[in-house]
Amino acid sequence: KAGVTQTPRYLIKTRGQQVTLSCSPISGHRSVSWYQQTPGQGLQFLFEYFSETQRNKGNFPGRFSGRQFSNSRSEMNVSTLELGDSALYLCASSTEGLAGVETQYFGPGTRLLVL
Amino acid sequence: AQSVTQLGSHVSVSEGALVLLRCNYSSSVPPYLFWYVQYPNQGLQLLLKYTSAATLVKGINGFEAEFKKSETSFHLTKPSAHMSDAAEYFCAVSDVRGADGLTFGKGTHLIIQP
Repeated sequence: KAGVTQTPRYLIKTRGQQVTLSCSPISGHRSVSWYQQTPGQGLQFLFEYFSETQRNKGNFPGRFSGRQFSNSRSEMNVSTLELGDSALYLCASSTEGLAGVETQYFGPGTRLLVL
Repeated sequence: AQSVTQLGSHVSVSEGALVLLRCNYSSSVPPYLFWYVQYPNQGLQLLLKYTSAATLVKGINGFEAEFKKSETSFHLTKPSAHMSDAAEYFCAVSDVRGADGLTFGKGTHLIIQP
C-alpha cells in the first residue's frame, strides 16, 4: 500500500499571500488530520476531517481552513500568510480517526517558508 | 486538558549504551500514549503505543516503554543504542476519540556518540 503523500514538499510564499497544501491518505483511510510543526511550539493539532466533514479542530485562527473530498484527499489552506506560519505541515491518516486506538500514519510533510 | 512533558530536549549516549527518553503526561481520562520518531526531512513514524493492555509495550527497532500510572510516566528505552537511532523522538497522548488530535511533547533529540 502506498503511504500518505503530501504535495508540494517545499513552498516559499510572501506575507499576505495564501497557500494550499494537499494530502492523499492511505487507500481506505477516511480520516485525515493536519498538524503544524515549528521549533518554538512543537507539533500542534490543526484539524481533522472525516468523510468530508471537519470533525475536530485545534486552537488556530480562522485563516487556517481545510476540506476533504469524496476520495478522502484533503487540502489545507492558509490565507493572509504571516511570518509565523513558516512551519512543517504534516498530515496523518487513519481508518476511522480514533486517535487513541488507531495508528496514525504520517506523511513526509510540506515545508512552508513565508518571507 | 491533556499535556505531555519530555525531560531533556537533547540526550546524548554512546553507541551500545542504554537509551532512556523520559515522558510524563497529564490527562483527565485514561490516556492512550505513543512514541513517534522523526528522521531529518521525514514525517513521524510510530514506534509503539499503549492502549491499556500490557503496561510494558514493545515497539519496533528494539524500543520499549513502560506505562506507570502512579508516576504518570511512559519512558522509552532501548538496551543498546545504534548510530541509526539518532533522530527526534516525540511522546504523545490522546483520548480514545482523539477529539483534540494527538497532543505531543516538545521532542527529544537523541544523539549517538561513536
